[in-house]
Amino acid sequence: DAGVIQSPRHEVTEMGQEVTLRCKPISGHDYLFWYRQTMMRGLELLIYFNNNVPIDDSGMPEDRFSAKMPNASFSTLKIQPSEPRDSAVYFCASSLLASGTDTQYFGPGTRLTVL
Amino acid sequence: DQQVKQNSPSLSVQEGRISILNCDYTNSMFDYFLWYKKYPAEGPTFLISISSIKDKNEDGRFTVFLNKSAKHLSLHIVPSQPGDSAVYFCAASASTSGTYKYIFGTGTRLKVLA
Repeated sequence: DAGVIQSPRHEVTEMGQEVTLRCKPISGHDYLFWYRQTMMRGLELLIYFNNNVPIDDSGMPEDRFSAKMPNASFSTLKIQPSEPRDSAVYFCASSLLASGTDTQYFGPGTRLTVL
Repeated sequence: DQQVKQNSPSLSVQEGRISILNCDYTNSMFDYFLWYKKYPAEGPTFLISISSIKDKNEDGRFTVFLNKSAKHLSLHIVPSQPGDSAVYFCAASASTSGTYKYIFGTGTRLKVLA
């Protein structure tokens, strides 16, 4: 299996622009997670899906952030409008189960820079 | 409010010596703990885990110790190798709560010197 795939790997944009990050989970995994990594807060869970349905979006920082999972093999995280404080590395992860003990497999991340 | 804390942002250790990475947590509902390892430009990968019913779990050179009364866990790497140089994240979950979330710490950057 190719693992979790994320695109783009790097994104540089200007404040106010819309940014869309993409993720393809491991085939057969029912759970998909979006995380953000910053120096100050480490890895923060933004939102997770089960069978394409958002289950917990309490980590989404503001209404500027939205996530969708239109099918089992694709998810997007959108920021509109983007701000410099959104600069971070965004990771997508998937797991077969979300039992609280199941291994989550991470993608390589998207490094977002908002100027 | 950080429920999982890694108070040492970085650690340097000589090759062949022991590396000890520490993690503290505040939520007494946490009952499952993991360590993930992250190389530059890659996503974190699972390293080792421990359930709260145990106080030690070993996998080769890696051992995780859990002290529930102190709400503290540590990862020991013996002997340390240059390839162990990475950022290590501690994570915790309340697996019986139904929330299915891992709470991660801020990470500790380990540098193993040859």
